[in-house]
Amino acid sequence: AQSVTQPDIHITVSEGASLELRCNYSYGATPYLFWYVQSPGQGLQLLLKYFSGDTLVQGIKGFEAEFKRSQSSFNLRKPSVHWSDAAEYFCAVGAGGGADGLTFGKGTHLIIQP
Amino acid sequence: DVKVTQSSRYLVKRTGEKVFLECVQDMDHENMFWYRQDPGLGLRLIYFSYDVKMKEKGDIPEGYSVSREKKERFSLILESASTNQTSMYLCASSPQPLGSVSSYNSPLHFGNGTRLTVT
Repeated sequence: AQSVTQPDIHITVSEGASLELRCNYSYGATPYLFWYVQSPGQGLQLLLKYFSGDTLVQGIKGFEAEFKRSQSSFNLRKPSVHWSDAAEYFCAVGAGGGADGLTFGKGTHLIIQP
Repeated sequence: DVKVTQSSRYLVKRTGEKVFLECVQDMDHENMFWYRQDPGLGLRLIYFSYDVKMKEKGDIPEGYSVSREKKERFSLILESASTNQTSMYLCASSPQPLGSVSSYNSPLHFGNGTRLTVT
């Protein structure tokens, strides 16, 4: 069975600074990887996804993520954060097959300091 | 844009009550899911469905059941609500991939959640 680890429960970053959120996965075959963001009181919104091909994927809101098979990682990055980026971020992995749903990490709560 | 609508944003129920959480999607998606979200635990899959009248248990199905009589609607049922079922419940849907990409996971589209409190 697949699993996802997000090592950081909370991260605090100053507005304008760069951001990296860590995600490690466990899965025996090629994983299908996702990052979602949840703003307060909202459902989850897809930021980006990786299925195959280029290991650096671009998403919405200026986010990108890099798939590193050797490290079993899929870290999320943004060069300059905005106060509106404060939210909960979830990494997720899918095993393929479409209908089985995704396995989510426990989330990282991002706090933006002025 | 895909719209996944959960009928209630907030719900307060008493222990032992039968509770229905409703979810409707408007994009003709085959797959629908119910997750619960708890602080420090992330999202955990309760049940999912890949077709009308079909259902599969997720990771934490105990105490829950589901109903999918129509493609667009997926209901989560708490037969006898308990205080440990106080949580945020998230419904999601996704299309079934076609043809050569049938092995990949479609991204999930989420509703805004129902915060259920059982007293």
